Amino acid sequence: AQSVTQLGSHVSVSEGALVLLRCNYSSSVPPYLFWYVQYPNQGLQLLLKYTTGATLVKGINGFEAEFKKSETSFHLTKPSAHMSDAAEYFCAVSDQGSARQLTFGSGTQLTVLP
Amino acid sequence: ETGVTQSPTHLIKTRGQQVTLRCSSQSGHNTVSWYQQALGQGPQFIFQYYREEENGRGNFPPRFSGLQFPNYSSELNVNALELDDSALYLCASSPGGGFGHTGELFFGEGSRLTVL
Repeated sequence: AQSVTQLGSHVSVSEGALVLLRCNYSSSVPPYLFWYVQYPNQGLQLLLKYTTGATLVKGINGFEAEFKKSETSFHLTKPSAHMSDAAEYFCAVSDQGSARQLTFGSGTQLTVLP
Repeated sequence: ETGVTQSPTHLIKTRGQQVTLRCSSQSGHNTVSWYQQALGQGPQFIFQYYREEENGRGNFPPRFSGLQFPNYSSELNVNALELDDSALYLCASSPGGGFGHTGELFFGEGSRLTVL
């Protein structure tokens, strides 16, 4: 069975500061890893994904994440926060075998302070 | 290109009733997945439909059922509603079985169900 742990249900940063959202996963097989963002009253939008290949993945809106197999982590970062980044962020994992379902973490609410 | 659309956006039901939620997949996508997102939690996989057949199911009871139609749209039916069924129900589509070629699911904005 797969699982995802997102450390910190709420994270606050100042505008212009580094954003770091933590995600650790558990999977018995090579994983696919994803970060999704959810704005209020909207569905989920894909930020970035790791399937195979390069472990540093760049996504939309200046976000990136690094797959570290030894640490079973896939932390999301952005060098400089913008007010528009305020949203809920979900890390998700799927196994490469079935690729039929995503297992999501419980989410991290990001607040950006002026 | 039309994205994933869901209806209704909001609805209120009472315990014991039945509900049907609808989803139109993104153009060219033949796979539809349904997720339940309770308040303050991440989405949980209910099931997936590919070519009108159930193609995987999460840990949900049989009173959660679905259909996929030849045009790839889908319905989620929930019978004998319980208070804990109150949640945002998200539909997601993708090209091909599973995640297809892109490894990405395209989500609709969801249907918010309140059970009283």
